[in-house]
Amino acid sequence: KNEVEQSPQNLTAQEGEFITINCSYSVGISALHWLQQHPGGGIVSLFMLSSGKKKHGRLIATINIQEKHSSLHITASHPRDSAVYICAVKILDSNYQLIWGAGTKLIIKP
Amino acid sequence: DTEVTQTPKHLVMGMTNKKSLKCEQHMGHRAMYWYKQKAKKPPELMFVYSYEKLSINESVPSRFSPECPNSSLLNLHLHALQPEDSALYLCASSLFYTDTQYFGPGTRLTVL
Repeated sequence: KNEVEQSPQNLTAQEGEFITINCSYSVGISALHWLQQHPGGGIVSLFMLSSGKKKHGRLIATINIQEKHSSLHITASHPRDSAVYICAVKILDSNYQLIWGAGTKLIIKP
Repeated sequence: DTEVTQTPKHLVMGMTNKKSLKCEQHMGHRAMYWYKQKAKKPPELMFVYSYEKLSINESVPSRFSPECPNSSLLNLHLHALQPEDSALYLCASSLFYTDTQYFGPGTRLTVL
């Protein structure tokens, strides 16, 4: 079993829909990252969370430390949101090591 | 300036060539990282530099040689690579070890 599991693996939705991507982890963490990667391209850090909820524009990230679960929500989705969304956790006893989820490939159709 | 830049964007090299990848940031970050990413896989950490000193080498073959000439610049020197080394090489930086990592756009390397 992977230490970081994301669901769904693939998600196709229509423009305007509310999107939810989930991340569950089984290790002790100090922080959780949500990142975005466009095809063939670099990675953009969206959020780093250690508790609660963060919002940036149409993106909202939440984390429940007790349940070891985080969600990334996209409101009013747009075709430009199409990308791979990756959850990565920073292990509690390591300053630098990130354990990465496999990613969720999101396609938003116009 | 909140950007990590990487050059070149694409690189094709033969197995006998020597080439270098370059990464630069001007955010005052003191930790810099090299990652390797194969298609449809998450990035794998290769090296971590902290305050211009190599802190972590994740058992990377010696044909990859990192260098941090100053706090803004990180190089990855490549020599005698194998076709299986073809991948996207990502650079990242963070203020300190424990902070959010900012990633560059990557260099797509093809080894023939």
